[in-house]
Amino acid sequence: EAGVVQSPRYKIIEKKQPVAFWCNPISGHNTLYWYRQNLGQGPELLIRYENEEAVDDSQLPKDRFSAERLKGVDSTLKIQPAELGDSAVYLCASSPLWGGGNTEAFFGQGTRLTVV
Amino acid sequence: KQEVTQIPAALSVPEGENLVLNCSFTDSAIYNLQWFRQDPGKGLTSLLLIQSSQREQTSGRLNASLDKSSGRSTLYIAASQPGDSATYLCAVNPESGNNRKLIWGLGTSLAVNP
Repeated sequence: EAGVVQSPRYKIIEKKQPVAFWCNPISGHNTLYWYRQNLGQGPELLIRYENEEAVDDSQLPKDRFSAERLKGVDSTLKIQPAELGDSAVYLCASSPLWGGGNTEAFFGQGTRLTVV
Repeated sequence: KQEVTQIPAALSVPEGENLVLNCSFTDSAIYNLQWFRQDPGKGLTSLLLIQSSQREQTSGRLNASLDKSSGRSTLYIAASQPGDSATYLCAVNPESGNNRKLIWGLGTSLAVNP
């Protein structure tokens, strides 16, 4: 069974340019998370989806970040325009629906973004 | 507010040693606790998940314990190998409510020397 798939693995862009990341969760997982991780830090949740609904986006910088999960399966995270401080690893994770009691989260390999 | 602390921040051991990584949390009202491994530049790999009603979980050379009342979890690695070198993170899931996001520790960076 395929795990969580993210692309691209690496991205280098100039500041003020837009960038997008893509995530395909594990089949059947209703919950999808986007995290940002800075070097030496734990992951920071940006947004959590239950199916196609964003149920927690309180830490998403909405002035420049946006996300969508139109059909409740794969998701994209966009930054426009990117700033130097956005350089980080962006992680996508998925887990079965919370109500089922199984909340084990599985992560993708991440996208390492460097803004220059 | 739930806070998760991992001690030590870094650990270096010779190959073959048994070792213990510690994770503590301030609010004992948790749904479960999950241990992850992260290799440099890579994503996170789930190692073990312990439900709040469980005391421990085992997978191969790994054993994770949970003492909810004291707010502690330990990850025990038996007969460590150089391939175990990585950062180990623990994360707790809050017990209820809409705040269903994982609360993370900063990790323990482990180096197992041949």
